[in-house]
Amino acid sequence: EVQLVESGGGLVQPGRSLKLSCAASGFTFSNYYMAWVRQAPKKGLEWVATISTSGSRTYYPDSVKGRFTISRDNAKSSLYLQMNSLKSEDTATYYCARHRTTDYPMDAWGQGASVTVSS
Amino acid sequence: DVQMTQSPSYLAASPGESVFISCKASKSISNYLAWYQQKPGEANKLLIYSGSTLQSGTPSRFSGSGSGTDFTLTIRNLEPEDFAVYYCQQYYEKPLTFGSGTKLEIK
Repeated sequence: EVQLVESGGGLVQPGRSLKLSCAASGFTFSNYYMAWVRQAPKKGLEWVATISTSGSRTYYPDSVKGRFTISRDNAKSSLYLQMNSLKSEDTATYYCARHRTTDYPMDAWGQGASVTVSS
Repeated sequence: DVQMTQSPSYLAASPGESVFISCKASKSISNYLAWYQQKPGEANKLLIYSGSTLQSGTPSRFSGSGSGTDFTLTIRNLEPEDFAVYYCQQYYEKPLTFGSGTKLEIK
């Protein structure tokens, strides 16, 4: 069974940093691109980042480019999201998701980690 | 960026009825369109990809149609477990973008 389990969420002050993790199991992690998608309270889904199978290519929307960094450790079947210079508008539930490449949809999702940016 | 306009934002229906959810892209995305289901406390579920291909495990009462800019998710003979929020998403180009969601509630 494919499982994606996020961790590392919490309350953080504006301007500070936070790192999310996602532990993957039930599939060959190194064969898949991985992504982060977020959902602000009462809002829709927003793609945040994608990383290639080897980690050599990363993709971000303008809203987080330069502040967020996606990375992975294939030996540990783990995905990460380093979030710097956090803003109140980054408050959201962050989901880890799997896709074959960015030309494919996300076919497995975690249950999410909550991040609140507030003083 | 490709804007995805989803409608309606809210839909009330009874079990056994059929519903239709529309998703319009601001430019042609060929058939690079997915539909997802979101329920509280559960992982988001991919229902349909490539506009009309059912993901493994998706019940046959779900169907997708369309290409280019106009897409529709149809759910026939609604079951109690179908009441949820539905999102469309384009993966034709980056940034990957989602529709604003349709909340399907029991009438």
